[in-house]
Amino acid sequence: AQSVTQLGSHVSVSEGALVLLRCNYSSSVPPYLFWYVQYPNQGLQLLLKYTSAATLVKGINGFEAEFKKSETSFHLTKPSAHMSDAAEYFCAVRQTGANNLFFGTGTRLTVIP
Amino acid sequence: EAGVTQSPTHLIKTRGQQATLRCSPISGHTSVYWYQQALGLGLQFLLWYDEGEERNRGNFPPRFSGRQFPNYSSELNVNALELEDSALYLCASSPGGPNYGYTFGSGTRLTVV
Repeated sequence: AQSVTQLGSHVSVSEGALVLLRCNYSSSVPPYLFWYVQYPNQGLQLLLKYTSAATLVKGINGFEAEFKKSETSFHLTKPSAHMSDAAEYFCAVRQTGANNLFFGTGTRLTVIP
Repeated sequence: EAGVTQSPTHLIKTRGQQATLRCSPISGHTSVYWYQQALGLGLQFLLWYDEGEERNRGNFPPRFSGRQFPNYSSELNVNALELEDSALYLCASSPGGPNYGYTFGSGTRLTVV
């Protein structure tokens, strides 16, 4: 069965610092992986997705993620944090043979001025 | 292009009552997904509808049900409400197929008192 684990429920970074949000997946087949962001009192917005093409995926708002099969990881990074990046971030994996996604428990990112 | 719309925004019900939540997908999207986001529990997959059929179901009791209409809109029904059903219910849509990410609505906040 597919699942994702997000390490760290809360991450704090200084404005301008590197953002690294961790996601490890479990899947018996090549996975489809996604990162979403949720701002307060809103739904989720797709940041980027991996669908077995390039292993380095670029998304919106300067975020990118690298698929590493050997580490079963799909960590989200951004070189320089901005105050507007403060939100909750969710990693997700598509269930094999279906289209529904399983989400991780989320990581709340705080950006310190 | 209109996004995914959910109604109502907020809903307050008494324990034991029934709640009906509605979702209109993006035009052209045939798949609708429902998720429950309870405090501290992340996003839990509820239901997936595609082309009017229920395609997959999460680990929720039968009192959670729904349907998809010919115009691809959907409703989620929750019978015999319990206090722990209080949560944000998110609807998402996609064009179908595993390569696509979801577009989420802003959710319905259900409070059971």
